[in-house]
Amino acid sequence: AQTVTQSQPEMSVQEAETVTLSCTYDTSESNYYLFWYKQPPSRQMILVIRQEAYKQQNATENRFSVNFQKAAKSFSLKISDSQLGDTAMYFCAFMRAGNMLTFGGGTRLMVKP
Amino acid sequence: GAVVSQHPSRVICKSGTSVKIECRSLDFQATTMFWYRQFPKQSLMLMATSNEGSKATYEQGVEKDKFLINHASLTLSTLTVTSAHPEDSSFYICSARDSWRDASSYNEQFFGPGTRLTVL
Repeated sequence: AQTVTQSQPEMSVQEAETVTLSCTYDTSESNYYLFWYKQPPSRQMILVIRQEAYKQQNATENRFSVNFQKAAKSFSLKISDSQLGDTAMYFCAFMRAGNMLTFGGGTRLMVKP
Repeated sequence: GAVVSQHPSRVICKSGTSVKIECRSLDFQATTMFWYRQFPKQSLMLMATSNEGSKATYEQGVEKDKFLINHASLTLSTLTVTSAHPEDSSFYICSARDSWRDASSYNEQFFGPGTRLTVL
């Protein structure tokens, strides 16, 4: 079974600064997908970024980028130029066969003005 | 982008009653939908995979007789919490996957806004 671990329950960052959220996972599969989702106070799940395991290049979406280390089974999210609207819960997720998602425990990010 | 709706957004019911939650894909067809449960300040836990025209697949530890899932059309899945009790109070989220791709390829899941269930 796959497990996803987020070791930082809460983090804070000053507006305009950079923050990195950590995620590790465990799997025996060789091909899979990893995701970071954002859940703001509205509780609507929003896809932030996606990484295919077979791609060595780290995914980037505007201010969001990942550091994917396949051998170490690590998948961290870097948020640059943090904005107040980035305040939310962030979940790392692993997609296994059948498109089922396993979520990490989440990291609550607070962006301070 | 693809839109998934849920109805109701919140519901309060008495212990012992049944509650039905609907999940609809508004602008795409979804042969597969997923139901998650989220307790306060916790992560999403997959409850079951809902397949159009067939029985749902439940995750280990989820009571299939308590959480009835019906996926009667390509755009609608329903979750019925039967004989609800206070411990069933939670936030229930559904997601849907575009059906035109086969299950072996990547399919983004689109999430509904969730339903808050409170059982008194």
